[in-house]
Amino acid sequence: DVKVTQSSRYLVKRTGEKVFLECVQDMDHENMFWYRQDPGLGLRLIYFSYDVKMKEKGDIPEGYSVSREKKERFSLILESASTNQTSMYLCASSSLPGQFNEKLFFGSGTQLSVL
Amino acid sequence: LAKTTQPISMDSYEGQEVNITCSHNNIATNDYITWYQQFPSQGPRFIIQGYKTKVTNEVASLFIPADRKSSTLSLPRVSLSDTAVYYCLVLTGGGNKLTFGTGTQLKVEL
Repeated sequence: DVKVTQSSRYLVKRTGEKVFLECVQDMDHENMFWYRQDPGLGLRLIYFSYDVKMKEKGDIPEGYSVSREKKERFSLILESASTNQTSMYLCASSSLPGQFNEKLFFGSGTQLSVL
Repeated sequence: LAKTTQPISMDSYEGQEVNITCSHNNIATNDYITWYQQFPSQGPRFIIQGYKTKVTNEVASLFIPADRKSSTLSLPRVSLSDTAVYYCLVLTGGGNKLTFGTGTQLKVEL
């Protein structure tokens, strides 16, 4: 089975801190995604990447950046955390490069609290 | 942009069949429709995918009419363990963005 591992299950940070959320997948997938999930809003796409060093903005990229230096690892960066970034963050990966009618595999999520 | 619309919540009882409908009026020709299931404190997991007509697997069935502007996820004989949020997913934004709707919270009771 595909395994998508997020480095932290729970994270508490202070306003203004730089925050790194790490995600690793073990199935050599080309595509990786970062979503955030908030009550009543469902999952919203922040950024995605379809290849190493490639990135594309999702629907809500403001306040975030990403890094993909290696195929298996996709990092989400909050340059200066704010309280409105308190959320559940979900990483996902998928295969079929260039074709997005595919199956996503999700990690268990990181619940980030910004105080 | 394509947008999906689902009921916010549904209630059912064990042993019943549950049908959850998703509207996706702006679906593109090459898009597939995919449904995911999410339990509390877990990431969503894939349950079924289809393009047209009917698809069935060991978990669910997916019905897609000819115009493809909606789809219906059918869960036969639900149990308490089927209590979860169900998301309908279609391609959006010109081909690159995988966007989820707000999902349907299914609650199954005894």
